[in-house]
Amino acid sequence: AQKVTQAQTEISVVEKEDVTLDCVYETRDTTYYLFWYKQPPSGELVFLIRRNSFDEQNEISGRYSWNFQKSTSSFNFTITASQVVDSAVYFCALSEALNDYKLSFGAGTTVTVRA
Amino acid sequence: EAQVTQNPRYLITVTGKKLTVTCSQNMNHEYMSWYRQDPGLGLRQIYYSMNVEVTDKGDVPEGYKVSRKEKRNFPLILESPSPNQTSLYFCASSSGQGIAKNIQYFGAGTRLSVL
Repeated sequence: AQKVTQAQTEISVVEKEDVTLDCVYETRDTTYYLFWYKQPPSGELVFLIRRNSFDEQNEISGRYSWNFQKSTSSFNFTITASQVVDSAVYFCALSEALNDYKLSFGAGTTVTVRA
Repeated sequence: EAQVTQNPRYLITVTGKKLTVTCSQNMNHEYMSWYRQDPGLGLRQIYYSMNVEVTDKGDVPEGYKVSRKEKRNFPLILESPSPNQTSLYFCASSSGQGIAKNIQYFGAGTRLSVL
């Protein structure tokens, strides 16, 4: 069975600090997809990134970056120079290629950025 | 605008009173899912549908029903709601093909309270 663990329940930082969110996953499939979603205080879920299991290249999008390491089954997310607008709950999720309509989510990490 | 629309956004009801939460998507997506979000548990899949008239159970289907008579609509039915179904519900849809394959897009959520 697939499983996603986000060990950090809450993280609080001061604006402009960097923050890294950990995500560890378990799957028996060799082909799978990893995702990050953001849930701001307004409640909607916003898609941030999808990465497939064959692409271990790190990715950067503005102040966001992702580090995918198959050797440690981790897909960590870093926000550089955090801003108050980054305050949200962040979810890591996994789907397996044979069941790619099913997303398994971690419990989420609440990030609070203080001005 | 491409979107997933859920209604109602907020609902308070009493134990045993049947209710339906509607979900509609305008992206011609094959896949649709329902999730519930509870504190500390992330999102868990209730039911999913791979296409019209094709539905199956997710991780927590007890107490829920779904139907998929049209591609765009995927209502969630609670025949006899109970207080343990108080939760935040999300509908999602995704395409089964193309570059955005298996990226799930979520509705704004429905906050349900069962008294």
